[in-house]
Amino acid sequence: RKEVEQDPGPFNVPEGATVAFNCTYSNSASQSFFWYRQDCRKEPKLLMSVYSSGNEDGRFTAQLNRASQYISLLIRDSKLSDSATYLCVVKKRAGYALNFGKGTSLLVTP
Amino acid sequence: GAGVSQSPSNKVTEKGKDVELRCDPISGHTALYWYRQSLGQGLEFLIYFQGNSAPDKSGLPSDRFSAERTGGSVSTLTIQRTQQEDSAVYLCASSLGAGTQETQYFGPGTRLLVL
Repeated sequence: RKEVEQDPGPFNVPEGATVAFNCTYSNSASQSFFWYRQDCRKEPKLLMSVYSSGNEDGRFTAQLNRASQYISLLIRDSKLSDSATYLCVVKKRAGYALNFGKGTSLLVTP
Repeated sequence: GAGVSQSPSNKVTEKGKDVELRCDPISGHTALYWYRQSLGQGLEFLIYFQGNSAPDKSGLPSDRFSAERTGGSVSTLTIQRTQQEDSAVYLCASSLGAGTQETQYFGPGTRLLVL
């Protein structure tokens, strides 16, 4: 079983829609959680870290449920420029590499 | 400031040849990571450097793969006797330290195609 699992999508949504992505991780010892964004043929870039208390950055809200080992990302008022692959990322602890899910593809249409 | 750079950006090689991929991390970043991304697959960890030493090499898929880092800066990933299954995008990332919340910044990658 892969350590980080995501629904690959694709999610096709109209501009202005709200869309949610989910992710589960298998290692309960994981300490850090992130969402990265990857545009086609580009490198991944950090979108936001995810904290237990939940956190928001503009139109983006991330949630973490440690008990269920579940991470979510909510995008409100989708823009065309949000079209990308969203990668759920988990880090076991300091000094370890990032563990990536395969990503969820989002296409926002006019 | 300058980000992580990698060279070459693209590399086409014949099966059985050796290749060297280079990564220049962000200046001052002590942690450096190599990943690879195959078509339709997620990013797969290869090796992690802290300074010039590699505390975690657990992701290297075979002994044909090796990496070194010199001067706490530039790193080279070497693949010997390349195979077609080595075809992938090889991504390098660096971070200021290796703490749990440290942001890893990725380079643009080297696209390797083994014919």
